[in-house]
Amino acid sequence: GAVVSQHPSRVICKSGTSVKIECRSLDFQATTMFWYRQFPKQSLMLMATSNEGSKATYEQGVEKDKFLINHASLTLSTLTVTSAHPEDSSFYICSARDHRHVGSGSSSYNEQFFGPGTRLTVL
Amino acid sequence: KNQVEQSPQSLIILEGKNCTLQCNYTVSPFSNLRWYKQDTGRGPVSLTIMTFSENTKSNGRYTATLDADTKQSSLHITASQLSDSASYICVVRDQTGANNLFFGTGTRLTVIP
Repeated sequence: GAVVSQHPSRVICKSGTSVKIECRSLDFQATTMFWYRQFPKQSLMLMATSNEGSKATYEQGVEKDKFLINHASLTLSTLTVTSAHPEDSSFYICSARDHRHVGSGSSSYNEQFFGPGTRLTVL
Repeated sequence: KNQVEQSPQSLIILEGKNCTLQCNYTVSPFSNLRWYKQDTGRGPVSLTIMTFSENTKSNGRYTATLDADTKQSSLHITASQLSDSASYICVVRDQTGANNLFFGTGTRLTVIP
């Protein structure tokens, strides 16, 4: 199946600093990537949808100036948490949508594949 | 309102026993339903995907069912193993142009020896 990686897997930073998280689709091109946040014992909450070459679309209540998203290539999207605070501590998960065309024989057409997540702890 | 509800919220079973997790949804128009396994501190991994016309799908010891009329799905785990301890998330995709995903809150399964 398709593989999505995230880096780093775990990061600890001081309050007020910025942290960048990378999301890569390793064996397919993803014109759309998604960023989720997950608090303990809760399900994933969509933060933003990232389209290659255009501005990200943020969900209601998510500050676009705080969570900067860059989708510069078909295999890479980055999420930068600016001026991080302890309340930003969470598990951040990206996913990538495989946009291969119907008829290619691929079973992964138009499905989302999740990365392994990044644990952010802000002290 | 599009919603996905799962039950039970948590479950503890003995190793070797079977269990069934439930998922009810109101998402419309419906495209497909996936069950994911999420280990602690890891991203979700897909177990099964079911479309409108599929009633049952198996993946090893995991068997998912779908009743599109009642908008219910179940995930049955047979002969549970300690490694099955994880959160199981039901995710429903709609059939709008946005292909939105709607997540259940998950069932936390703990398998004890």
